[in-house]
Amino acid sequence: GAGVSQTPSNKVTEKGKYVELRCDPISGHTALYWYRQSLGQGPEFLIYFQGTGAADDSGLPNDRFFAVRPEGSVSTLKIQRTERGDSAVYLCASSPTGFTGTDTQYFGPGTRLTVL
Amino acid sequence: TQLLEQSPQFLSIQEGENLTVYCNSSSVFSSLQWYRQEPGEGPVLLVTVVTGGEVKKLKRLTFQFGDARKDSSLHITAAQPGDTGLYLCAAFSGGYNKLIFGAGTRLAVHP
Repeated sequence: GAGVSQTPSNKVTEKGKYVELRCDPISGHTALYWYRQSLGQGPEFLIYFQGTGAADDSGLPNDRFFAVRPEGSVSTLKIQRTERGDSAVYLCASSPTGFTGTDTQYFGPGTRLTVL
Repeated sequence: TQLLEQSPQFLSIQEGENLTVYCNSSSVFSSLQWYRQEPGEGPVLLVTVVTGGEVKKLKRLTFQFGDARKDSSLHITAAQPGDTGLYLCAAFSGGYNKLIFGAGTRLAVHP
C-alpha cells in the first residue's frame, strides 16, 4: 500500500525502559508529524518535520521525548525512561509540502504504547 | 490556548435516524476540518471548510462553518451502521503545520 505505515502496531514495555516508534511516510511527502492520542481524547500535536529538520517541536511534553528524521523520509520517535502516563496511541502523519492550508495530512494507523 | 469543544461526547442511535454533532470554540479559525476515525486506524479527513457560512455536502453528510468562523456542525441524514466511528473536528494553530483536535464525538449506529 502507499499509505503511512507505523511499526510496531503495539508495544508493551516496563516503566523506566527506552522505546523507539517508527513511521514510514507516503513517498515524496516532505512534511511529517507526530501526534499522541490518549484514551477518550483527540490527537495532540507533538512535533513537525519539514524535510530532515524539526520545524516545530513545541508539543513534546518533556526532554524524555525526542524524534529524528535523518534522511527526510522515515522518522523515529524515541522515549526514554518511560512512565505509565506515556501510555497512548502514537500517530504519525505526512503531507506533501506542509506549506498551505489545503495540504492534507494522511495519518498512519498508530502505535499503541502500553507502559506497565 | 485555542480549544475545540465537541458535543455530544457520545451518541447512540438507530439506523435511519438523523443526527447533528457540534464543534465550538471561542477562537476564530481560518479553516476547520472534520475527520472520522475507526478503531485501530488513524483519522481520515472528510472535509475542510474555509469560508464563514460555508455549507459542504458529502453524500449524506452536511458540514457547516459558522458565520463567525468559530464553530461548525456535522449533520448526518439517515444514519447507517457504516457511519459508526469517532468524529473529530480540527483546526490549524500557528500556521499550517500544527493541527489541534477536539475530543471527538463517538457515534454508534445500530441496525
